[in-house]
Amino acid sequence: DSGVTQTPKHLITATGQRVTLRCSPRSGDLSVYWYQQSLDQGLQFLIQYYNGEERAKGNILERFSAQQFPDLHSELNLSSLELGDSALYFCASSSGTGHTDTQYFGPGTRLTVL
Amino acid sequence: GQNIDQPTEMTATEGAIVQINCTYQTSGFNGLFWYQQHAGEAPTFLSYNVLDGLEEKGRFSSFLSRSKGYSYLLLKELQMKDSATYLCAVYDSNYQLIWGAGTKLIIKP
Repeated sequence: DSGVTQTPKHLITATGQRVTLRCSPRSGDLSVYWYQQSLDQGLQFLIQYYNGEERAKGNILERFSAQQFPDLHSELNLSSLELGDSALYFCASSSGTGHTDTQYFGPGTRLTVL
Repeated sequence: GQNIDQPTEMTATEGAIVQINCTYQTSGFNGLFWYQQHAGEAPTFLSYNVLDGLEEKGRFSSFLSRSKGYSYLLLKELQMKDSATYLCAVYDSNYQLIWGAGTKLIIKP
């Protein structure tokens, strides 16, 4: 158990809909990262937040947005969902005290778009 | 561009030793990670190398050569539970973590 929690574990929805994925980082961690992993594909970095501020952006679609709240939990919002958005979405956290922190991953949310 | 190369798939026998290679071409280098990921599960941290040489941690060891842009993960006394995908990731000069596509390791009895 990494200490990172994600809800929900599974999500099934229809095309065109909007969903929110939630992540709570390990106690004391200030950085949160979001990743997308499609079936049998590698990890695609989406976005990083540090202490409430956006720090880095990867290949995140404009239909996707995220934020980190004062209590450091984070939410990833996915809108106008398409079939191709079906994937595992992982959240990871790190202490944020150094540039080369180890990232610890949550169990993921499996999103299925029908 | 930035690139991390790993073999797509490897097969090994229970009880044997296997070496998974990773070569990288990135804009700068600030450390290399190895993670293990079982199918449908989260990646879990295995090792971190920032200086040249070998880091040993139980049955797993990781080696780094910065001049060659090369690392390997060595797994000894293979067990069936070691069947997983092994991910190599490098921090570049902007402290962005660049991920390889992973090596799927299949262990046969």
